[in-house]
Amino acid sequence: DVVMTQSPLSLSVSLGQSASISCNSSDSLVYPDGNTFLNWFHQRPGHAPRRLIYLSSTRDPGVPDRVSGSGSGSEFTLQIGRVGPEDVGSYFCMQATFWPPTFGQGTIVEIK
Amino acid sequence: QVQLVQSGAEVKKAGASVKISCEAVGYPFTSHHVHWVRQAPGQGLEWVGAISPRNNSTTYARRFQGRVEMTSDPSTSTVFLEVIYLISADTAVYYCARGETGMDVWGQGTTVSVSS
Repeated sequence: DVVMTQSPLSLSVSLGQSASISCNSSDSLVYPDGNTFLNWFHQRPGHAPRRLIYLSSTRDPGVPDRVSGSGSGSEFTLQIGRVGPEDVGSYFCMQATFWPPTFGQGTIVEIK
Repeated sequence: QVQLVQSGAEVKKAGASVKISCEAVGYPFTSHHVHWVRQAPGQGLEWVGAISPRNNSTTYARRFQGRVEMTSDPSTSTVFLEVIYLISADTAVYYCARGETGMDVWGQGTTVSVSS
C-alpha cells in the first residue's frame, strides 16, 4: 500500500498567520491519465471530515481561496492563510491514485 | 441536497456482530462508490473498504477481509456495513463517504462501542 507521511504532526499558529502542512507519498501519485488523485480533508473535533482539496490543487465548493493545495509527484503541501478559529482541528491528506486509498497520519492545528 | 445519513450508535459485546447503514440522499444511488472509513478514539482515518452500488462489487482492506461485509439495497438507496467477531479494537466512529477518486461527501458517523 502507498504510505502517506505528513509533517508536522501538530502545529500551533497565531490568529491571522499562515500554516503549512506537508504530505509525502511513497510512490508518485500521477495516474497514467495524467491526473494526480491527492485530496486534503479538514476535521473539526466531533465532526466528520470535510474535503477541502482534490486533484492536488482544486478547491471544493465553499472552500475559501486562502486555502490552497500544491505539489506534484510525491510531494504535496496544504497552505492555510490568515488562520482563524474555524481552522482548528485535524488535517489529513489522502491518495486515491492507487487502490486501496490511504491517509496520512493527520496534522493537528491549534491556535497559539 | 446531497447527503449520506447514517444509522445510530451501537453498543456490542466482544464476539458479537454489528450492522450499520448509510442512506444516500439527493443523488443517483448507483452513480458513485461508497467507502467505509473508521476512526478509533484519538486516532487517524483508516479505510475499511468500498462498494459499488451499481453492481454490488466490493473491495475490502486486507486486514478486514473475512470479518466485514458490505451490501447495498437500491430500493432504499442504502449501503450496509456488517462487522463480525467484534473485538475491543473495533471501537470507533465508522463513516461512509462517497466517491471514486476522492471522498467528497461524508456521513455524520456511527459510533460503535465494543465492550469485553
